[in-house]
Amino acid sequence: DSGVTQTPKHLITATGQRVTLRCSPRSGDLSVYWYQQSLDQGLQFLIQYYNGEERAKGNILERFSAQQFPDLHSELNLSSLELGDSALYFCASSNPEFNYGYTFGSGTRLTVV
Amino acid sequence: AQSVTQPDIHITVSEGASLELRCNYSYGATPYLFWYVQSPGQGLQLLLKYFSGDTLVQGIKGFEAEFKRSQSSFNLRKPSVHWSDAAEYFCAVGARSWGKFQFGAGTQVVVTP
Repeated sequence: DSGVTQTPKHLITATGQRVTLRCSPRSGDLSVYWYQQSLDQGLQFLIQYYNGEERAKGNILERFSAQQFPDLHSELNLSSLELGDSALYFCASSNPEFNYGYTFGSGTRLTVV
Repeated sequence: AQSVTQPDIHITVSEGASLELRCNYSYGATPYLFWYVQSPGQGLQLLLKYFSGDTLVQGIKGFEAEFKRSQSSFNLRKPSVHWSDAAEYFCAVGARSWGKFQFGAGTQVVVTP
């Protein structure tokens, strides 16, 4: 157990639908990062939050949004889902000093049918 | 712009043989350097990291990596691979000023009997 908890582990949904992925960071970590991993795109950085505020944005589609709550857990919202959104979505967290890298959760496998 | 390159997409190695995975980065100063491993269906696990000091770092599972500033490289090595080392390996580069890490495309390692 890495200390980063992601739920659900698996999600199957239809095109056009909306889903929410949840992440609880490792205790003491203030930063949460979301990554998308697919076969053709590899590991793509989506967005980072630090202590409730958006800190950096990567290749995140407008249909996707995220937020970090006061208790530091984060949610990634994916809407108007397309077949191409099928991927593994990872959450990672890091401490304020940034000195031990990321701790990754085990991911949510999203399948859009 | 900062970048990280893993030149080898796929490597096949015999069990008991040595393994070396290459990682090159582009950055103006010495960044934080990491190697992660991802087993099938799993999240990414940190193998080792380098910030400063001794350029040869030891990690978990018998892995080591050497930072070579002149070559902008951080290659991962293991003297004798085990079948359980079959996985995908990611090099990551980060800096405090970036606030996040950049991952290479990964190297898939296959271990043959």
